[in-house]
Amino acid sequence: QVQLQESGPGLVKPSQTLSLTCTVSGGSISSGGYYWSWIRQPPGKGLEWIGYMYFSGSSNYSPSLRSRVIISIDTSKNQFSLKLDSVTAADTAVYYCARESAVGAVNAFDIWGQGTVVIVSS
Amino acid sequence: SYVLTQAPSVSVAPGQTATITCGGNNIGSKRVHWYQQKPGQAPVLVVYDDFDRPSGIPERFSGSNSGDTATLTISSVDTGDEADYYCQVWDSSRDHRVFGGGTKLTVL
Repeated sequence: QVQLQESGPGLVKPSQTLSLTCTVSGGSISSGGYYWSWIRQPPGKGLEWIGYMYFSGSSNYSPSLRSRVIISIDTSKNQFSLKLDSVTAADTAVYYCARESAVGAVNAFDIWGQGTVVIVSS
Repeated sequence: SYVLTQAPSVSVAPGQTATITCGGNNIGSKRVHWYQQKPGQAPVLVVYDDFDRPSGIPERFSGSNSGDTATLTISSVDTGDEADYYCQVWDSSRDHRVFGGGTKLTVL
């Protein structure tokens, strides 16, 4: 059973870089067919897709965050990571890592981490 | 970018049927997924590709999609179904994933 677990600082100062890691257990991140994504949820608000990385290195990001975000993958550690630059209070959210897979004709997010709270504050 | 619109809230009595809609331009041409999120928990996929259910999801959860509206239907609702429900599609033109704003289901 594949499981995802987010880790990283819960508090980040404004203008600094938010860095989170998602550790994949119970399966290989290098298995083809899966997209490894980050999704966030500001307090009291809805879900926002941040971006994905495929094990081959291809990636894509939300247009609203593209200029500040990088998602990377470390196959040797079975992890993928999120870096978000120049954070502000608006980046305060629960951050989820998720696996996207071909459950049907179109990929869906079938496995999620439990989420980690990140607060941007001085 | 592609936009999905959901009503903020829906209320239904126990045992009745809840209908949650997701609007988008010609959404009927896309495959829609639905996620259930209970307070303090991560979302869970309950319907994919408009109407299919992952294993373990009760048959009470069903979906449809046509024209500009996709619908999640939950029959024989009980208090355990109280949650936020999000629709999601793949915007193939940009290879982006898009979520609706979410609908809070209250079982009165």
